[in-house]
Amino acid sequence: AQSVAQPEDQVNVAEGNPLTVKCTYSVSGNPYLFWYVQYPNRGLQFLLKYITGDNLVKGSYGFEAEFNKSQTSFHLKKPSALVSDSALYFCAVREPQRSSNTGKLIFGQGTTLQVKP
Amino acid sequence: DTGVSQDPRHKITKRGQNVTFRCDPISEHNRLYWYRQTLGQGPEFLTYFQNEAQLEKSRLLSDRFSAERPKGSFSTLEIQRTEQGDSAMYLCASILSGASTDTQYFGPGTRLTVL
Repeated sequence: AQSVAQPEDQVNVAEGNPLTVKCTYSVSGNPYLFWYVQYPNRGLQFLLKYITGDNLVKGSYGFEAEFNKSQTSFHLKKPSALVSDSALYFCAVREPQRSSNTGKLIFGQGTTLQVKP
Repeated sequence: DTGVSQDPRHKITKRGQNVTFRCDPISEHNRLYWYRQTLGQGPEFLTYFQNEAQLEKSRLLSDRFSAERPKGSFSTLEIQRTEQGDSAMYLCASILSGASTDTQYFGPGTRLTVL
């Protein structure tokens, strides 16, 4: 069974400092990995995804993520955090494409990012 | 704004009442998913549609839940005889096709509170 783990419930970082939000995954086959962000009382906004190719994926709002197959990780990063980055971040994995599967996303439990001025 | 809309945004109801939520996906997106998110958790899959066909339902979707997508466009999710445990955020997502490389785009969600 496929799963995603986000080991930190909360990450605190000072504005201007680099940030990392951790994600590890367990899948059979090639992983399709996603990061979403959720602001209070809002839906999920897509940030970036890894399908294949370069291990460093660039996404929206200056975020990037590094895919590491040997460590089964897909950590979200940003070189310089902003107060407005404070939100709930979700890592997700999607089932590989086969005729019998749903293509549903399987989410981690989320990590709250708090960026302080 | 992702282009996926949901209505209502908030619903407060009393236990035992029926509620219905609506999702309007991005036009021409032929797959539509419903997820449920409880406090402190990530979203969990409920069901999905390929055009108007409902192809899979999670075991989370008890027989009190029903979903439709009658013309392959908007979808409704109905909960009958609501229980306090149904209180959650209900999220809808749409995707252009079933390809794994595609991105699911989420609506703003409907927050249900059952008193």
